[in-house]
Amino acid sequence: SYELTQPPSVSVSPGQTARITCSADALAKQYAYWYQHKPGQAPVLVIYKDNERPSGIPERFSGSSSGTIVTLTISGVQAEDEADYYCQSADITTTYVIFGGGTKVTVL
Amino acid sequence: QVQLVQSGSELKEPGASVKVSCKASGYTLTNFAINWVRQAPGQGLEWMGWINTNTGNATYAQGFTGRFLFSLDTSLNTSYLQISSLKAADTAVYYCAKARSSRIPYYYYYMDVWGKGTTVTVSS
Repeated sequence: SYELTQPPSVSVSPGQTARITCSADALAKQYAYWYQHKPGQAPVLVIYKDNERPSGIPERFSGSSSGTIVTLTISGVQAEDEADYYCQSADITTTYVIFGGGTKVTVL
Repeated sequence: QVQLVQSGSELKEPGASVKVSCKASGYTLTNFAINWVRQAPGQGLEWMGWINTNTGNATYAQGFTGRFLFSLDTSLNTSYLQISSLKAADTAVYYCAKARSSRIPYYYYYMDVWGKGTTVTVSS
């Protein structure tokens, strides 16, 4: 299997743009997914298949992919976006699911 | 409304067993796989494995073999996680999550609905 690497933390002022990266060689061939996780709550899928947004997720959340790096972008960050964000992928050969270590987004 | 309803918090002594339930509502359990994810205190999400809700076959991640068991009761639309010989290191929040997956035309696997988590505390 492989590892997904995320920065531990990102800080951003309200209204600004937060970008969270996730890297692994496997991401050049596998989709990435992103979850928002707030304390005491269930994780919420915010991006699937690199850049698809589930219904109900605000448009300020977007995803992109470039080679081995995928990026979750939160445009016009709001206080309610403060949370931990995890990228996830899946290994087609083992069917194992892999989570990144998580990125804590702090809204200043 | 599709949701997964998990059982309540558990406090167990070391060496005991615990069984966490995850009841699917708004859809038929056998239509989608169930994954289990652990979050230990101060740690990130850790994938434990998944169960094929059609066959009952389970796949366990490294580190979750032996003492961990996924099971089903399709008549109750419910999946279970059982942990035996509990240790203090098993103290965590355990989540179940409904999977979406396919291999055609490209492989994808993600979790679109999550339970709210069950806190298991192991302490004497």
